[in-house]
Amino acid sequence: DTGVSQNPRHKITKRGQNVTFRCDPISEHNRLYWYRQTLGQGPEFLTYFQNEAQLEKSRLLSDRFSAERPKGSFSTLEIQRTEQGDSAMYLCASSYPAPFFGEGSRLTVL
Amino acid sequence: AQSVSQHNHHVILSEAASLELGCNYSYGGTVNLFWYVQYPGQHLQLLLKYFSGDPLVKGIKGFEAEFIKSKFSFNLRKPSVQWSDTAEYFCAAGGGADGLTFGKGTHLIIQP
Repeated sequence: DTGVSQNPRHKITKRGQNVTFRCDPISEHNRLYWYRQTLGQGPEFLTYFQNEAQLEKSRLLSDRFSAERPKGSFSTLEIQRTEQGDSAMYLCASSYPAPFFGEGSRLTVL
Repeated sequence: AQSVSQHNHHVILSEAASLELGCNYSYGGTVNLFWYVQYPGQHLQLLLKYFSGDPLVKGIKGFEAEFIKSKFSFNLRKPSVQWSDTAEYFCAAGGGADGLTFGKGTHLIIQP
């Protein structure tokens, strides 16, 4: 599969735990995005990387959210001290020029 | 602020009917426009995109969209729908460092 890969596909966690999601983009794409999608809504932009540089992070939902792309290849999105309101689908997309989305990582916070 | 509006949240059509889904955007400067489709249980897939040039854009699976700058619109059309077109359709605008702004989606049901 040469598309955008996300892991894990599903994560169930207890409130207060930390979770990390991984995204492996299409190999030749240097742009990478994270989005959040809740039921009945379109995806909501969170953050953007060009290669290893995080060029936009002001839309991360709180300081509990952080993302990295250390070598300009894969990326991780971490949520610390999860809350029930964090339950959602977290989507990764890589782009050149149009964004292609992965299958998402569904988070359920109990 | 950037915004994308999809006017029809739920649409039900019979097979072979023609389809038009509305999308209006509010966006400063040059705008890139997209339509994505999400089939049940699947990920978002790009249907078509507009960056510049011919305002009538053809996409996959017989879909097309027309960019009308004066109306800030980018409506999706298909002349004859099939049962397999049942899905959620999202219009989006933007790109680059600001990411995409999505509409809330249109849930399309095609009845056989």
